[in-house]
Amino acid sequence: AQSVSQHNHHVILSEAASLELGCNYSYGGTVNLFWYVQYPGQHLQLLLKYFSGDPLVKGIKGFEAEFIKSKFSFNLRKPSVQWSDTAEYFCAVLANQAGTALIFGKGTTLSVSS
Amino acid sequence: DAMVIQNPRYQVTQFGKPVTLSCSQTLNHNVMYWYQQKSSQAPKLLFHYYDKDFNNEADTPDNFQSRRPNTSFCFLDIRSPGLGDAAMYLCATSEGFTAYEQYFGPGTRLTVT
Repeated sequence: AQSVSQHNHHVILSEAASLELGCNYSYGGTVNLFWYVQYPGQHLQLLLKYFSGDPLVKGIKGFEAEFIKSKFSFNLRKPSVQWSDTAEYFCAVLANQAGTALIFGKGTTLSVSS
Repeated sequence: DAMVIQNPRYQVTQFGKPVTLSCSQTLNHNVMYWYQQKSSQAPKLLFHYYDKDFNNEADTPDNFQSRRPNTSFCFLDIRSPGLGDAAMYLCATSEGFTAYEQYFGPGTRLTVT
């Protein structure tokens, strides 16, 4: 069965620090990749997505992610975090030939101190 | 300009008492999904509708059912809630499957007493 691993359960950073959240998935075929964010008390929102083409994708609020097919990875990055980035971040994978279920990782809680 | 609306936001029900959660969308998307998210866990897909075609995930308990009377609305029925069914229930929509993002509602937090 497909699975998604997020390596960090809870990350604590100071403002202006750089961020990298790891995401690995286990599926060898074509995939759609997503990062969703959930701010406190709000619903899941799409940060960025990869379907095809340039493996470096840019999303909202200065986030970017790089798809490395050989490593089955889709890590999320931001060069300088802000207090307002405090949220829970979910990586999700849709395995195109394996059904229609979007498989989520367990999430990473990011706490940014000002 | 809410796009995926879930009611109620909080629902308390008694053990074994049927409960219905509702979801509506203003996006006119073909697909509507129901996810269950337990505390500190990833959202897990229960089932989805593509238009009127229903697809149940293999490990979704029979206790959970769904109805989609029209494009805009989708309901989650829990026939006999157990304590283990306490969770956040998320509704999502998308235009299609491959190469489409899903739009999520705010969720309904279900408590079973």
